[in-house]
Amino acid sequence: GAVVSQHPSWVICKSGTSVKIECRSLDFQATTMFWYRQFPKQSLMLMATSNEGSKATYEQGVEKDKFLINHASLTLSTLTVTSAHPEDSSFYICSAKTGSKNEKLFFGSGTQLSVL
Amino acid sequence: GQNIDQPTEMTATEGAIVQINCTYQTSGFNGLFWYQQHAGEAPTFLSYNVLDGLEEKGRFSSFLSRSKGYSYLLLKELQMKDSASYLCAPMDSNYQLIWGAGTKLIIKP
Repeated sequence: GAVVSQHPSWVICKSGTSVKIECRSLDFQATTMFWYRQFPKQSLMLMATSNEGSKATYEQGVEKDKFLINHASLTLSTLTVTSAHPEDSSFYICSAKTGSKNEKLFFGSGTQLSVL
Repeated sequence: GQNIDQPTEMTATEGAIVQINCTYQTSGFNGLFWYQQHAGEAPTFLSYNVLDGLEEKGRFSSFLSRSKGYSYLLLKELQMKDSASYLCAPMDSNYQLIWGAGTKLIIKP
C-alpha cells in the first residue's frame, strides 16, 4: 500500500530555534497533505491543510507565521516550527491524500518535538 | 449533529476475543480511527478505515460499514496489557476527528 514517510521521528531543540519536519509520499502523488498535532493526554487536532502549489489553510487558533507549511511538490510537504518554545513540544503527524477515487488518507509515523 | 456511541465499559478474559462496537453520525465522512489509551497517557493510533470491510493488523482488526455508520474493533488473544480505553473517532468533512467517550476494557486473568 501507499507509504508516507515522516522525518525526523524525534527531535530535541533549544528554545528560539526553528525545526523543520518533512512529510513525503513515497509511491504516490499527494495533492493534499494534512498536518496534525497531539499534546499529551489530548486529542489529535488538525493544524492545517496543505495543497500542492498553493498556500496552506490553517485551522482557527493555529499561527500561520509560526507554523510554516510548504507543499512545493506532489510528494513533499514540510512543516517548520519557527522560534520554537517549550509549549510547542508535541507530537506532530502528517497525512496525505492519494487523489484516487476513494481518497484514502495515509499517515506518517509522526514526529515527537521536545523544546528545551 | 455529530454523535459517537460506544459502550462505556466491557470486561473480557485473558486469551479471549472481544469486539468493541461503535456507531457514528458525522457531517461528512473521511474515514474512522481507533485509538488505544492507557490511563494517564495520550491516545495511541491503532487503525484507520476509509473503505468498507475488515482490516487486520496482528491481534487487532477493525471493521467499517459506511452505509450503516458502524465500526468495530476486534481484539484477539487478549493480554493483560490490553486493559485500556478504546476510542472510536470518525473524521468529518473538515478532516477533524470527532471523538467518542471511549470504551474501558477490563481484562481479567
